[in-house]
Amino acid sequence: AQSVTQLGSHVSVSEGALVLLRCNYSSSVPPYLFWYVQYPNQGLQLLLKYTTGATLVKGINGFEAEFKKSETSFHLTKPSAHMSDAAEYFCAVSRTGYQKVTFGTGTKLQVIP
Amino acid sequence: EADIYQTPRYLVIGTGKKITLECSQTMGHDKMYWYQQDPGMELHLIHYSYGVNSTEKGDLSSESTVSRIRTEHFPLTLESARPSHTSQYLCASSTYSSNQPQHFGDGTRLSIL
Repeated sequence: AQSVTQLGSHVSVSEGALVLLRCNYSSSVPPYLFWYVQYPNQGLQLLLKYTTGATLVKGINGFEAEFKKSETSFHLTKPSAHMSDAAEYFCAVSRTGYQKVTFGTGTKLQVIP
Repeated sequence: EADIYQTPRYLVIGTGKKITLECSQTMGHDKMYWYQQDPGMELHLIHYSYGVNSTEKGDLSSESTVSRIRTEHFPLTLESARPSHTSQYLCASSTYSSNQPQHFGDGTRLSIL
C-alpha cells in the first residue's frame, strides 16, 4: 500500500520569504516521489522527482526537495518566493510494479506582496 | 508546450445529453489516465489504461466509460449527463515505468445545467 499526506491545505508566505511545503509518504517498498504544480485552469506540471540516487533533487523554477527515508518525508522548498509561485502544489508517490500514482490532497500557496 | 491535448476546454450542456471528452497524446505513451477534480480540490482517478484495448476503473466510482482503440487516443463518454457530473476532468499519460512522471492535459471544465 502507499499513501501521501500533505500538511496544510493553504500556506501563505511573503514575497521573498522561504517556501516550505510538507509531504510525508508511506510505502512498503522504496518509493518514487514527485511534486507537481497546478496553475488555475491548467493541468499539473512536473516540478521535480526522486527515484534513486541523490536525495536532494532540484527542479524547475528554483524549487528543490529532499528525500528523507528516516522521516518518510519529501518536503518542497524554495529560498525566495515570487508572486508567480502562487499555485496549487501536489505531492505524489509511486513504486515499482504498481501501476497507479497516489496524489496528495494538495497545498494552495499564496504569496503576499 | 503540451504534448497531450484535451478538447473541449470548456463545455456547458443540458441534462440528459451524451458527452464525449477527447484526449490525445503524441508521446507514444502506453499508460493513460482520467482524473476528476473539483476546483481547488484533490484528484480522483476514475479510469486508466495500460495500452490498446485495456481499460480499468479507478479509485472513484464514475458513471462514465472510456475506450482505448488507438495508443494516442483515450476518450471519456457520459451517456446521459447530470448536474452531479459537473467538474473538471484531467487526462494524463505516462510511459510504462513507474518511476516516470505523468504528463497532464489542461483539462476540460464541464458544467451540466
